Amino acid sequence: NAGVIQTPRHKVTGKGQEATLWCEPISGHSAVFWYRQTIVQGLEFLTYFRNQAPIDDSGMPKERFSAQMPNQSHSTLKIQSTQPQDSAVYLCASSLTGMEVFFGKGTRLTVV
Amino acid sequence: GDQVEQSPSALSLHEGTDSALRCNFTTTMRSVQWFRQNSRGSLISLFYLASGTKENGRLKSAFDSKERRYSTLHIRDAQLEDSGTYFCAAEDYGGSGNKLIFGTGTLLSVKP
Repeated sequence: NAGVIQTPRHKVTGKGQEATLWCEPISGHSAVFWYRQTIVQGLEFLTYFRNQAPIDDSGMPKERFSAQMPNQSHSTLKIQSTQPQDSAVYLCASSLTGMEVFFGKGTRLTVV
Repeated sequence: GDQVEQSPSALSLHEGTDSALRCNFTTTMRSVQWFRQNSRGSLISLFYLASGTKENGRLKSAFDSKERRYSTLHIRDAQLEDSGTYFCAAEDYGGSGNKLIFGTGTLLSVKP
């Protein structure tokens, strides 16, 4: 079991460019989550899928951010027109529904 | 909204000593999970509790089974490798469920 896999581990984008972050959840896990971590805000919930269906996106910034889960083996978080304030570590996690949550190693996004 | 209050924010221990971290919840929570974040930023799950206590080596965690409004993490005989940032995260009963609300973390430093 390789755990939750996130790629890339580091990404640098120019202001205004698009960034796509990838997540492969643990095989068999029905729930997939995206979180963001910054020094100022700490760990913030972004969005949540259950059995590939979007359940809760209450933490997603309303503009520029979108998440997809086209199949049970991967999810993507896309940020359009990136801004410096989007710089953060983006963490993907998965779990069996209602059970212990396991996190990937994160993608450090730097917007310059 | 729901809040998770974690204390202390920082803690310095000498090797061999014991201590405890605590998280208070402003509302009743369904479950709690404790994590350690290492220097590379990986969030490692330590415990998942829906009630009661769990123990693993020198670590022990408890979740108040009556009011479900606080949890503790006890560290016994602290070792250098215990250093890191510890987070508690709780899942509430409302909304979509399974979404974790994180505390602000405890930065633990264990010194020789």
